[in-house]
Amino acid sequence: QVQLQESGPGLVKPSETLSLTCAVSNYSITSGYYWGWVRQTPGKGLEWIGSIYQSGNTYYNPSLKSRLTISVDTSKNQFSLRLSSVTAADTAVYYCVRARVATVKGSQYFDFWGQGTLVTVSS
Amino acid sequence: EIVMTQSPATLSVSPGERATLSCRASQSVSSNLAWYQQKPGQAPRLLIYGASTRATGIPARFSGSGSGTEFNITISSLQSEDFAVYYCQQYNNRLPWTFGQGTKVEIK
Repeated sequence: QVQLQESGPGLVKPSETLSLTCAVSNYSITSGYYWGWVRQTPGKGLEWIGSIYQSGNTYYNPSLKSRLTISVDTSKNQFSLRLSSVTAADTAVYYCVRARVATVKGSQYFDFWGQGTLVTVSS
Repeated sequence: EIVMTQSPATLSVSPGERATLSCRASQSVSSNLAWYQQKPGQAPRLLIYGASTRATGIPARFSGSGSGTEFNITISSLQSEDFAVYYCQQYNNRLPWTFGQGTKVEIK
């Protein structure tokens, strides 16, 4: 069974960059799926952030695109999220996910989730 | 952005009863609709994709229906482990893919 585990700082200062990594186990990240990030806040609920393929092809949420970088490290079987210029609104539980492509345009749903990690943006 | 609206916000049901939850899209998403279950302190779990296909290992008491803008998920006979929050997600061709705000199914 695929397992995903998020790691990274739980506290980030405003205007700085949030960085998280997702380690994938029991499955090769090069085996044909997209891998992505979803966050959850009490106010906005669940929000898809972005997804990446082994080749580096990405889909980003347009509302975050200007601040977002998702990258993949196939040698370590992991992928990462960087979100710059964070504010309190970026405080959330961040989940890494495996994404299944459902249409020829690449649209995705999420069949495996990590346990989530809380990131708080505060000085 | 396609807005997903779920109703009701909270559904009170007795164990063994049937529960039907609704999800409406602000524009057609065809059958590109998934349902997730989330229990306190846990990540969401995929239940249904393609509006009506159960994910691996999901019991047959969960069924999904609908297309276009109106969708339902029905739990035929609620078990104790089914009390949770349920979310719909559309994955139509236009970004971003979006979630509903959730329906909490609680014990009556």
